[in-house]
Amino acid sequence: NAGVTQTPKFQVLKTGQSMTLQCAQDMNHEYMSWYRQDPGMGLRLIHYSVGAGITDQGEVPNGYNVSRSTTEDFPLRLLSAAPSQTSVYFCASSYGQTAYEQYFGPGTRLTVT
Amino acid sequence: KQEVTQIPAALSVPEGENLVLNCSFTDSAIYNLQWFRQDPGKGLTSLLLIQSSQREQTSGRLNASLDKSSGRSTLYIAASQPGDSATYLCAVKEDSNYQLIWGAGTKLIIKP
Repeated sequence: NAGVTQTPKFQVLKTGQSMTLQCAQDMNHEYMSWYRQDPGMGLRLIHYSVGAGITDQGEVPNGYNVSRSTTEDFPLRLLSAAPSQTSVYFCASSYGQTAYEQYFGPGTRLTVT
Repeated sequence: KQEVTQIPAALSVPEGENLVLNCSFTDSAIYNLQWFRQDPGKGLTSLLLIQSSQREQTSGRLNASLDKSSGRSTLYIAASQPGDSATYLCAVKEDSNYQLIWGAGTKLIIKP
């Protein structure tokens, strides 16, 4: 049981490049989400999914796309990277959206130059 | 709009002391509150989850309390150890949309 895995661990992009951050979980969790963490601020929700085929926007969705074709995978796509997207990105999953505690991946540190 | 605040931003105490970390929130309409630990370069680990109907939860040397009416939660760590050094984050799950709203965290250093 690997829990929540994220790849890559580090990434440097030039402004305007696109890339996909990968997230997978092997706990059969229905709910998955993406957060970004910036210095001095709390985590902010980017997108989330309550099950395969269903996604929705969080607090800061602009510049990011997601899809959920399987229960296990929830990739985050940066369409055209900007320096403001320099951050640490965390993927999380849980059995449901309500009462259950969330499990987090190790994070991806992204720098956009 | 819900806001979560953690004060202080950093705390350094000698090993063996008991300590309290604070979390305050502005809207009492919460579903639950969760405390997490974050180690450098690693993900977040859930420590304790308190449902809105509960007053406290305990796990080992950790005790978390919740006072919804005053918008406060505390995380009590007994007999602190150097291995407790980490950043501690609290997050409230909103009653309306079940989204987590996060504090910025308290960076805790336990000096041997």
